[in-house]
Amino acid sequence: AQKITQTQPGMFVQEKEAVTLDCTYDTSDPSYGLFWYKQPSSGEMIFLIYQGSYDQQNATEGRYSLNFQKARKSANLVISASQLGDSAMYFCAMRNVMDTGRRALTFGSGTRLQVQP
Amino acid sequence: EPEVTQTPSHQVTQMGQEVILRCVPISNHLYFYWYRQILGQKVEFLVSFYNNEISEKSEIFDDQFSVERPDGSNFTLKIRSTKLEDSAMYFCASSGDVAGYTFGSGTRLTVV
Repeated sequence: AQKITQTQPGMFVQEKEAVTLDCTYDTSDPSYGLFWYKQPSSGEMIFLIYQGSYDQQNATEGRYSLNFQKARKSANLVISASQLGDSAMYFCAMRNVMDTGRRALTFGSGTRLQVQP
Repeated sequence: EPEVTQTPSHQVTQMGQEVILRCVPISNHLYFYWYRQILGQKVEFLVSFYNNEISEKSEIFDDQFSVERPDGSNFTLKIRSTKLEDSAMYFCASSGDVAGYTFGSGTRLTVV
């Protein structure tokens, strides 16, 4: 079974500063993918970034980067230069990538980020 | 950019009534999913659908739930006899390759 743990229910950050949202995972699958999604107050799920377990380099997408430490089973999201529009709920998720019959995402409980002016 | 479309955005229904939630996945995706999120809680997987059949389902997806792809574009979730605890945001998603997993904007279901 897969499990995602997000230990920070809420975080505050000053505008223009960087923030790290923690995510640890547990899985017995040798090959897996890790995702981060943003959920603003309007409710939609917005894809931010993806990291494959065999990717050699940490994923980056604009102001988002994923600090992937495979041995520690952590996949922390780093948001650089925070903006007021970054205030939202952030979810870490994972899935198996080898078994085509198992594509469900397992989500963590989320971290609510509030960016302060 | 391609998107997953869900209708309606909000539905209110009486307890015991049947509801059908509708989704139009991204056209070249082959895998379709339903998730739900009870207010303030984590997102939970319900079911995945591939090649016109269910490929995976969770314990939540009991006999009260069913999915269908009635034509080449729509993907529906039916709840036969709604309960108060079915009140949640229901997300449809579709995927093509490994990383391409796109969610719709959700249907907020309120059972009264």
